[in-house]
Amino acid sequence: GQQVMQIPQYQHVQEGEDFTTYCNSSTTLSNIQWYKQRPGGHPVFLIQLVKSGEVKKQKRLTFQFGEAKKNSSLHITATQTTDVGTYFCAGRAQAGTALIFGKGTTLSVSS
Amino acid sequence: DAGITQSPRYKITETGRQVTLMCHQTWSHSYMFWYRQDLGHGLRLIYYSAAADITDKGEVPDGYVVSRSKTENFPLTLESATRSQTSVYFCASTDRLIIPANTGELFFGEGSRLTVL
Repeated sequence: GQQVMQIPQYQHVQEGEDFTTYCNSSTTLSNIQWYKQRPGGHPVFLIQLVKSGEVKKQKRLTFQFGEAKKNSSLHITATQTTDVGTYFCAGRAQAGTALIFGKGTTLSVSS
Repeated sequence: DAGITQSPRYKITETGRQVTLMCHQTWSHSYMFWYRQDLGHGLRLIYYSAAADITDKGEVPDGYVVSRSKTENFPLTLESATRSQTSVYFCASTDRLIIPANTGELFFGEGSRLTVL
């Protein structure tokens, strides 16, 4: 079945450092979504990527979708303590099917 | 406007007991989902539903039962709880899965933390 792998599992950075998490799928995806879950909270949608090679930015966050639509990345520039949480990627093999989530990358930031 | 609510938020039960986790959404979303979250496993799909009376298995359906008699409700039942079902359960909904007309963004409830002793 479809698998979505995410690395690293954990990452600790000093405030101001950059952070990147990578997502890889065993199958070609129709789209990929990213979610953020704060400690003790629930996942909250950040963004969706649909097109091959797509790049989207949200302030300090940059999201990329690979040319083959099998991988994606989230890059945070100059991390802040408010970036703490677990970041999940989630993909659909085909439009109309359920999202499969990666295991997430938990980011901790020390000031 | 609560959106999507789960109850109970916390539940402690014993092995072998039946437990039902409730999920209610006020948006009339067609699709609803149940995920479980465990350390090291991320979010795993248990069951989902495309509409009332339509349900389908996800990645880890064994030991769970769902129903969807009304669009707004999607209860998850553990017929005979086991310790391995100790987890945080998230319900989610979306109005459609077809893209690019809509993001298919999932809206999650606050979660139900279940402990099976």
